[in-house]
Amino acid sequence: SQKIEQNSEALNIQEGKTATLTCNYTNYSPAYLQWYRQDPGRGPVFLLLIRENEKEKRKERLKVTFDTTLKQSLFHITASQPADSATYLCALSIDSGGYQKVTFGTGTKLQVIP
Amino acid sequence: DGGITQSPKYLFRKEGQNVTLSCEQNLNHDAMYWYRQDPGQGLRLIYYSQIVNDFQKGDIAEGYSVSREKKESFPLTVTSAQKNPTAFYLCASSKTGASGETQYFGPGTRLLVL
Repeated sequence: SQKIEQNSEALNIQEGKTATLTCNYTNYSPAYLQWYRQDPGRGPVFLLLIRENEKEKRKERLKVTFDTTLKQSLFHITASQPADSATYLCALSIDSGGYQKVTFGTGTKLQVIP
Repeated sequence: DGGITQSPKYLFRKEGQNVTLSCEQNLNHDAMYWYRQDPGQGLRLIYYSQIVNDFQKGDIAEGYSVSREKKESFPLTVTSAQKNPTAFYLCASSKTGASGETQYFGPGTRLLVL
């Protein structure tokens, strides 16, 4: 079965710096890789999706890369702000008999220090 | 406002009791999902449904049951057979269930055992 590892449980960075979160997976490459943000006691919120044939995707201060050779995705938040503090989940999506099978990582808790 | 609602926010279960968690969406989505989230673990899929009156077991379906009588509603019953039900339960939906679709999550229900 697919396994996902997110680099660390927690990451602390100074406001204004770039936060980089890592998602590594084993076995087969997913067709899609998604990143979600989850605040305490709330449901995850979708941020970005990248396809297996894409190297990089950007949205405002967010950037995602996808390296199928390394089996890794990097998620960057530039000019980080305290409001970016949350847990970020990596999710791999493959087609499984016509339905989307999504495997989630355990998440990395980001703390942006003012 | 379009979205997914879950109720109740907190639910307490006594030994031997079945409890039902509600999930309603007004996004006109065909696919709906139930996940369980435990500390230190990623979201794990319990059940999913791609169409009314049809649903499939996920990775950890034992001790749970669902129904999908209406497109908008996908209630989850935690039965007495589920020996470790304490967790954060998340309902999600996506447009058709096809690979790569964004999943929209509800606010979650926290289930505690008395």
